[in-house]
Amino acid sequence: AQSVTQLGSHVSVSEGALVLLRCNYSSSVPPYLFWYVQYPNQGLQLLLKYTSAATLVKGINGFEAEFKKSETSFHLTKPSAHMSDAAEYFCAVMETSYDKVIFGPGTSLSVIP
Amino acid sequence: DVKVTQSSRYLVKRTGEKVFLECVQDMDHENMFWYRQDPGLGLRLIYFSYDVKMKEKGDIPEGYSVSREKKERFSLILESASTNQTSMYLCASSLTGAYNEQFFGPGTRLTVL
Repeated sequence: AQSVTQLGSHVSVSEGALVLLRCNYSSSVPPYLFWYVQYPNQGLQLLLKYTSAATLVKGINGFEAEFKKSETSFHLTKPSAHMSDAAEYFCAVMETSYDKVIFGPGTSLSVIP
Repeated sequence: DVKVTQSSRYLVKRTGEKVFLECVQDMDHENMFWYRQDPGLGLRLIYFSYDVKMKEKGDIPEGYSVSREKKERFSLILESASTNQTSMYLCASSLTGAYNEQFFGPGTRLTVL
């Protein structure tokens, strides 16, 4: 079965600093990968998705992620953190059957002024 | 604008009560999902449905049932609520297909006393 791990349940960065959220997946076949964000008291919304067209994927709000097959990783980055980026971030991998998505445990991002 | 709505944002019930959580989507999506979200555990799939009257068990179906009589509506039922079912419940929907993102409702925070 596919699985997702996210290193660090909580990450703190200063405003303007680089954001790096780590995601590793296990999959025996080329995966479909996603990053979702959850702002306080809201549901999840899609940040970006890997569709195999390009290894570097750009998403909303200045986020991007790089697919590295050799490392089975899909880390999320943003060059300069903003206060509004404070949220919970989930990495996810899709199972090809029944469109099921396996979510990682999430990383809570805090941005310090 | 796509929309997934859930019948309640907050719900308080007593142990042993039958609880209904309703989810409605207006995007004509084939797939619908129920997750529960707990700190440190991420999202865990309870049930999903890929067509009207069709349902599949997810990872943690025990103590829950579902109903999908119409394409746009997916109900989660707790037959006899217990305190360990206190959680955030998230509904999502998606089109069929590998790269299709899931759209989430705002969640229902259920407390069972």
